[in-house]
Amino acid sequence: KNEVEQSPQNLTAQEGEFITINCSYSVGISALHWLQQHPGGGIVSLFMLSSGKKKHGRLIATINIQEKHSSLHITASHPRDSAVYICAVPSRDLGFGNEKLTFGTGTRLTIIP
Amino acid sequence: DAGVIQSPRHEVTEMGQEVTLRCKPISGHNSLFWYRQTMMRGLELLIYFNNNVPIDDSGMPEDRFSAKMPNASFSTLKIQPSEPRDSAVYFCASTTGTGSTDTQYFGPGTRLTVL
Repeated sequence: KNEVEQSPQNLTAQEGEFITINCSYSVGISALHWLQQHPGGGIVSLFMLSSGKKKHGRLIATINIQEKHSSLHITASHPRDSAVYICAVPSRDLGFGNEKLTFGTGTRLTIIP
Repeated sequence: DAGVIQSPRHEVTEMGQEVTLRCKPISGHNSLFWYRQTMMRGLELLIYFNNNVPIDDSGMPEDRFSAKMPNASFSTLKIQPSEPRDSAVYFCASTTGTGSTDTQYFGPGTRLTVL
């Protein structure tokens, strides 16, 4: 099973600050997912990436396959970015042969106006 | 598109009662996932269907849990009998492909409280 670690667990920052959330995993993967869980509980997929970098608005996700590490960056952070950010990677179940997602414990981000 | 639809959004029941959670995936998606989220364990996969067939149910905690997908537009997760430790938020998600390398679309979740 792929072990996933996220850091930090909690992050509080002032509006406008540059935010970095980290995710490390133990086994080589085909793709990594970043999810956002809103305070109301809904989960939205932000990125799926297998190499390099992806950008969507103020959000940037990078991945280093060799180092088994990914980062999620938020530029010009805003209070509406306050949410839990979850990293997920595929794990292959040897018994069933399929890949399924293993989730990190999440990073709770709070942006203060 | 309405997205993934789950019902009910909230369920409060007493220990020993049967609970049925429902999910309608996005039309055209051929994979459906049931997840459970708790404070202690985070998000965990319970069961995964592909083309209405259960592929991996290794995450189903015990025989009290069962899931069905009778057709491409409907799935249920049943707990019988329910126990207080089943209290959690249950999410359904759907995608094209197999999900590990495809974007998953999550429903709003069902918050289950077992008293």
